[in-house]
Amino acid sequence: QSALTQPASVSGSPGQSITISCTGTSSDIGSYNLVSWYQQHPGKAPKLMIYEVNKRPSGVSNRFSGSKSGNTASLTISGLQAEDEADYYCCSYATNTKEVFGGGTKVTVL
Amino acid sequence: EVQLLESGGGLVQPGGSLRLSCAASGFTFSNYAMSWVRQAPGKGLEWVSSISGSGGSTHYADSVKGRFAISRDNSKNTLFLQMNSLRVEDTAVYYCAKEFRRSVVATVDYWGQGTLVSVSS
Repeated sequence: QSALTQPASVSGSPGQSITISCTGTSSDIGSYNLVSWYQQHPGKAPKLMIYEVNKRPSGVSNRFSGSKSGNTASLTISGLQAEDEADYYCCSYATNTKEVFGGGTKVTVL
Repeated sequence: EVQLLESGGGLVQPGGSLRLSCAASGFTFSNYAMSWVRQAPGKGLEWVSSISGSGGSTHYADSVKGRFAISRDNSKNTLFLQMNSLRVEDTAVYYCAKEFRRSVVATVDYWGQGTLVSVSS
């Protein structure tokens, strides 16, 4: 059960856009439109930001968007704000393991 | 308002057992799959186990298969995780997680605050 691959860190200045990639395989991201993204601030529980590749739950800013191409999913944060500084995790449904998370990406607002 | 309240964490010696519970409220419990997700200190999220809304289907990560057992009591709106043969590497905050649908779809829309399990001699 290998975790999905995310960059360890991504940074950007306020107002800029950043994109976090999440690479899996044909047994997870490549086969299902069941990719979700979570934001986690230090000491807090994760929060759902994107589900089913590109859908936003009620209350999540439209500055957050998701996409997928082949075995790679992406989360884009536009108009970066200080409050966006957090850890972000992708997750995908997988054929055998059912759920697999990425290793996490630390987003820093410069 | 959806609430998930975990309990049962604590310090245990290697080889020991613990049973985690998660009391759910604010939604029709039996209509949704539930999961346990853990996070070791300073590390990322790791899926542990999931169970369908009816309880008839269960799934486990390879790292816990044969040692952990997930179950639910829909009459009491409670999720459980029985953890046996605990190892040092099982040390983590364990989150109770509500899945988005009745079956497991790798989408958690609500999380508990977590309960810490420490395995140490």
